[in-house]
Amino acid sequence: QVQLQESDPGRVKASETLSLTCSVSGGSISSSYCYWGWIRQAPGKGLEWIGSISYSARSTYNNPSLKSRATISIDTPKNQFSLTLNSVTAADTAIYYCARHNIAVADPFDNWGQGTLVTVSS
Amino acid sequence: QSVLTQPPSVSAAPGQKVTISCSGSSSNIGNNYVSWYQQLPGTAPKLLIYDNNKRPSGIPDRVSGSKSGTSATLGITGLQTGDEADYYCGTWDSSLSAVVFGGGTKLTVL
Repeated sequence: QVQLQESDPGRVKASETLSLTCSVSGGSISSSYCYWGWIRQAPGKGLEWIGSISYSARSTYNNPSLKSRATISIDTPKNQFSLTLNSVTAADTAIYYCARHNIAVADPFDNWGQGTLVTVSS
Repeated sequence: QSVLTQPPSVSAAPGQKVTISCSGSSSNIGNNYVSWYQQLPGTAPKLLIYDNNKRPSGIPDRVSGSKSGTSATLGITGLQTGDEADYYCGTWDSSLSAVVFGGGTKLTVL
C-alpha cells in the first residue's frame, strides 16, 4: 500500500518561498504514468488544487489561479516530489496535502498524505 | 468562488437518507468523471466515489453516486453519526486544464 508523507516546514515569512516535500513509500514514484499532486486547504475553507506532476509522462499541470508562483518537481532517487511556492502571503496559510491520482491527471486522488499546516507570518 | 457548486450544509436524522448535489458546466462535470471525497474532522480527505458512481474497496454500498448532464449527486442511506463530515465533489475541467473541487458540504446527522 502506497503511503505519502509531507514534510513540515512550520512557519514561513511573508514574501519568502515555501518549500514542501512529499515522501512516497510502498511504491515507486516513477512507475507507470501515475500523476502526483498537491492540494491545500485554508483554515475553515474548502480544497484547492495546486498542481500535479508525472515522471513517466514528463508532464506537469498547475492551477492557473496561482499565477505561476507554484513549481512542482520530482526526485526519483529519493522517491519524492516537491512543491515550491514563491512570494507567499498570509493567504497561503493552509494545510497542504500531497496525494496520488489514480493514474491520469483527470483521475481522482485515491491516496492522500496526512497533511501539514503551513503558517505564513509577517 | 468554487468552479463547482455545492450546498454549504445538509442534515438528516440517523437511519435516514441524504443527498448532496454538485453543479458544474459542460467543461467539467458535463464531459468528465466526477469523484466525491469525505473529510472527517481533523483528517485528510478520503475518496468515496470515483467515475461518477464507482466505490473504492471498503466503501459500503449505502454510499452511491450519480451524474446527469452537468450535475452530480452523492447519496448516503442509513445515516450514522460517524457520517458527520465535510463532503467535496471534484472533477477535471477541460477548459481550465485543472482539477476543480466544489466548495464542500457539511453533513450533520441530527
